[in-house]
Amino acid sequence: ETVMTQFPATLSVSPGERATLSCRASQSVSSTLAWYQQKPGQAPRLLIYGASTRATGVPDRFSGSGSGTEFTLSISSLQSEDFAVYYCQQYDNWPLTFGGGTKVEIQ
Amino acid sequence: QVQLVESGGRVIQTGRSLKLSCAASGFPFTTYGMHWVRQAPGKGLEWVAAIWYDGGKKFYADSVEGRFTVSRDNSKNTLYLEMNSLRADDTAVYYCSRRGGDGGSYLDSWGQGTLVTVSS
Repeated sequence: ETVMTQFPATLSVSPGERATLSCRASQSVSSTLAWYQQKPGQAPRLLIYGASTRATGVPDRFSGSGSGTEFTLSISSLQSEDFAVYYCQQYDNWPLTFGGGTKVEIQ
Repeated sequence: QVQLVESGGRVIQTGRSLKLSCAASGFPFTTYGMHWVRQAPGKGLEWVAAIWYDGGKKFYADSVEGRFTVSRDNSKNTLYLEMNSLRADDTAVYYCSRRGGDGGSYLDSWGQGTLVTVSS
């Protein structure tokens, strides 16, 4: 099983600032990495797939990068609606696995 | 637009069985692989099971292998999750989701979830 580790667990950021979230895989997953955003009481929402491709309707302030075992989700200028929990997920091999999440909170 | 609506979640006793349903609409269900993902209260996401578009292949998390069965009825555009020998740690919101449009097993659409509470 590929273990996904996200850090930091919590990120305190002021609105308008840049946020950088990290995700590490225990073995290479190539570029088969997705990012999701989840707000309280809501289902997750796909943001990024293929490590760097934005899903339909996702603002361009969200960007993904990386390959192999190291991945990054960047939010260039945090808006109020971006404060949420973010999860990475690998889909290179079975079972599919998620990281533990990074909570982005208002500083 | 894509709609996934889960149902069947409730409070149930340890050791009993429960079957969840997910009604799909707004896309060609028969051509998409589907997944179940769960989230225990206050916890992260855990992938549970997947089924190929035609039901020909199924995959399970180790934590549910042998207890849960994923199935689908393409004539009814409905996905199912049959859960047996339920345990307290199966308590979670269960989401049905659709695999990505390019065939990758990322999840591009999600239902609102249905809550399963397993209690003695």
